[in-house]
Amino acid sequence: AQKITQTQPGMFVQEKEAVTLDCTYDTSDPSYGLFWYKQPSSGEMIFLIYQGSYDQQNATEGRYSLNFQKARKSANLVISASQLGDSAMYFCAMRVPRDSGGGADGLTFGKGTHLIIQP
Amino acid sequence: NAGVTQTPKFHILKTGQSMTLQCAQDMNHGYLSWYRQDPGMGLRRIHYSVAAGITDKGEVPDGYNVSRSNTEDFPLRLESAAPSQTSVYFCASSPRDRAPLSQPQHFGDGTRLSIL
Repeated sequence: AQKITQTQPGMFVQEKEAVTLDCTYDTSDPSYGLFWYKQPSSGEMIFLIYQGSYDQQNATEGRYSLNFQKARKSANLVISASQLGDSAMYFCAMRVPRDSGGGADGLTFGKGTHLIIQP
Repeated sequence: NAGVTQTPKFHILKTGQSMTLQCAQDMNHGYLSWYRQDPGMGLRRIHYSVAAGITDKGEVPDGYNVSRSNTEDFPLRLESAAPSQTSVYFCASSPRDRAPLSQPQHFGDGTRLSIL
């Protein structure tokens, strides 16, 4: 079974500072994918960034980057130059292959981190 | 706009009543799944479908039924609602069953369901 752990229930950060949201994972599958989603107060789930277990480089998408440390089984999200609009819940999630025939299983989510950006 | 459409957005039920949450996607996606989101719990998968006519159980399937008669629709039914099923429900899709791990799931806007 897969498990995602997010140890920060809530964080307060000053605007324009960089933010690191922690995520550790556990799986016995050598092949897996790690995702980060943002959920603003309006409730929708917004996909931010993806990291594959075999990717050699850390993923980046604009102000978002993923600090992937495979040996430590950690996939922390880094938001550079935070903005007020970054205030939201952030979820780390993982997918593994569903079976030997290929295809991916559903997402296993962590409990989330509530990030509040202060002016 | 193309995407995953969930209806209704909000609903209140009484214990023991039945209800069907609707999920429709117009992107010709093969893989559909239902999640529930509870405070402090993240999202947990209820049921999923890899194609029309094929459904399977997720992590928390008890008390819920699903069917998939076509590609577009994936309704979630609560036959006899219980207060423990008060939650926010999300439907999510991926383009195809044999999608790579990197393929993100597209989420609907959610249905907030309260059971009294």
